[in-house]
Formats: sequence, C-alpha cells, structure tokens
Amino acid sequence: EPEVTQTPSHQVTQMGQEVILRCVPISNHLYFYWYRQILGQKVEFLVSFYNNEISEKSEIFDDQFSVERPDGSNFTLKIRSTKLEDSAMYFCASSQANNSPLHFGNGTRLTVT
Amino acid sequence: GESVGLHLPTLSVQEGDNSIINCAYSNSASDYFIWYKQESGKGPQFIIDIRSNMDKRQGQRVTVLLNKTVKHLSLQIAATQPGDSAVYFCAEINDYKLSFGAGTTVTVRA
Repeated sequence: EPEVTQTPSHQVTQMGQEVILRCVPISNHLYFYWYRQILGQKVEFLVSFYNNEISEKSEIFDDQFSVERPDGSNFTLKIRSTKLEDSAMYFCASSQANNSPLHFGNGTRLTVT
Repeated sequence: GESVGLHLPTLSVQEGDNSIINCAYSNSASDYFIWYKQESGKGPQFIIDIRSNMDKRQGQRVTVLLNKTVKHLSLQIAATQPGDSAVYFCAEINDYKLSFGAGTTVTVRA
C-alpha cells in the first residue's frame, strides 16, 4: 500500500538554526499538509498546500515557516530560525481530494536545544 | 476554541471485550468525520470515516456511529486485541481542514 514517507526521522538542531523537514506524499495525491504534535498533546494543523500554493494556514504557521514543492515528488517544511518551542513531532500528510481521508507519514521528531 | 474532543482521555479494556470510544463535536456544519489510530512513534493511521448523510458505517472489527442531533461520534472495536492498544483520535473536516480532538489512550489488558 502506498505511504507517505518522511525524512529524517529525528532532527536535532540548535536554537536559531534553520531546518528543512522532507516528505514524499503518495504519488497520485494532490493535497498536502503539515501537522505538528507537541509531546503529550493533540495533533495540530499547520498548513495545507494545493496547486503549488498554500490553501490554508494556522496561527502557528508564522513567517518563520515556509513550505515548498520543489519537484514532482517532494514536499518540504522549512523553519528559518528555530525556537525551543518548535520542538515537536512534525507530520506530513496527503490526500487525493480536499474532502477525503488524509494519510500521514510517521513523522520527524524535531528537537531544538 | 476546540471543535472536536473526546469524552475520556483513557480507556482500559480486557482483551476480547468490545471497546467504545466517544467523541463530541461542536461544529454542526461539519459533514465528514474520521477516526485515526496512533501507535507510539508513528503517525496517525486512518481507521474509518463517515459522512454526515450516514449514521453508521462498519469496517473490519470497527463500527463508527454518528448522532448529528447531539453531535456525537463513537468508535466501536469488536473483540479488542493487544494490537489495538494506541491513542485514538476523532477528527472532523470542515471547510476542507481536518481538525483533531485530544485523543483517548486505549490500553488492552491481557
């Protein structure tokens, strides 16, 4: 069964550094998403992306965050200057349509020190 | 505020028994609901979904019930197995955005 893959599985970075989290969505999916989960909390929406542009974003997704689909297969989340509170699991997801189930990757654990 | 939530944060169930996980939602305009399972160290895994024009949907060992009158959603797992131990989230799609509730941790006792 096709799946969403994310790399790396764990990223450790120092405060103020830039990080790029990478995702390969399911190949025939058109909608892409990033979510995050702070330890012990619920999964929170960050951003949705369709047709090479952001379709919606949450208050969490401020100017420090950006997303990109650099080619036909990858979908990336960049955090320009990481803060301690950015430490979380970041999940990428994709869906075929905007009202169909999202399929999630296994996440990247980001630790900011 | 939060539009999707679960009644109980934890549920302990004996192996072989049926499990019922509940969820209340507040947005009456929501028309699509999904149950996800999250095992430790993994991403949310799709279990079953239901649209607002239905009140029941069955899958393999799972049933989702939707009561739009009281804005309540439940997930029933038949003959619970050790592999069912996980955190279960209900989620709603509204305005094309999927929002998760806080999750119920299910622990299966041998």
